[in-house]
Amino acid sequence: DAGVIQSPRHEVTEMGQEVTLRCKPISGHDYLFWYRQTMMRGLELLIYFNNNVPIDDSGMPEDRFSAKMPNASFSTLKIQPSEPRDSAVYFCASSLDLGGGTDTQYFGPGTRLTVL
Amino acid sequence: DQQVKQNSPSLSVQEGRISILNCDYTNSMFDYFLWYKKYPAEGPTFLISISSIKDKNEDGRFTVFLNKSAKHLSLHIVPSQPGDSAVYFCAAKSGGYQKVTFGTGTKLQVIP
Repeated sequence: DAGVIQSPRHEVTEMGQEVTLRCKPISGHDYLFWYRQTMMRGLELLIYFNNNVPIDDSGMPEDRFSAKMPNASFSTLKIQPSEPRDSAVYFCASSLDLGGGTDTQYFGPGTRLTVL
Repeated sequence: DQQVKQNSPSLSVQEGRISILNCDYTNSMFDYFLWYKKYPAEGPTFLISISSIKDKNEDGRFTVFLNKSAKHLSLHIVPSQPGDSAVYFCAAKSGGYQKVTFGTGTKLQVIP
């Protein structure tokens, strides 16, 4: 398996522009997570999906952020309009629910976003 | 509000010695704890976990200890190797929920 795939790996954009990050989870996994990594807050959970349905978006910082999962093999995280404080590394992760709550999350390589 | 805290942002250890990484949590509902390891330009990878019904879990050179009364866990790496140099994230979850709360990470440097 290729693992979790994220694109692009790096994104540099100007303040006010729309940014779309993409994720392909591991085939067969039923949970998908979006995280943001910053020095101050570490890894923050933004939103997660179960079987393509958003379950918890309480970590989404504000209305400028939105996420979709149109099918089991694709998800997007969109920021519109982007701001310099959105600069961070964004990770996508997926997992398979085996019951018992001990499932391992598998992370993609991340997208490093820089907003100028 | 950081529910999972890693108060040491960095740690340097000589090769062959023990590395001890610490983690504190505040949410008493957490009952499953994990450590992830992250190399530069890569995503975090699962390292080891422990359930709240245990106080120790060992996997090769890696041992995690859990002190529920103190809401504290630690990761011991013995002996430390240069390849262990990475950022280590402590994480916690509760019940059967999939949501995982991560700490801010500790950067470990193992000096040859």
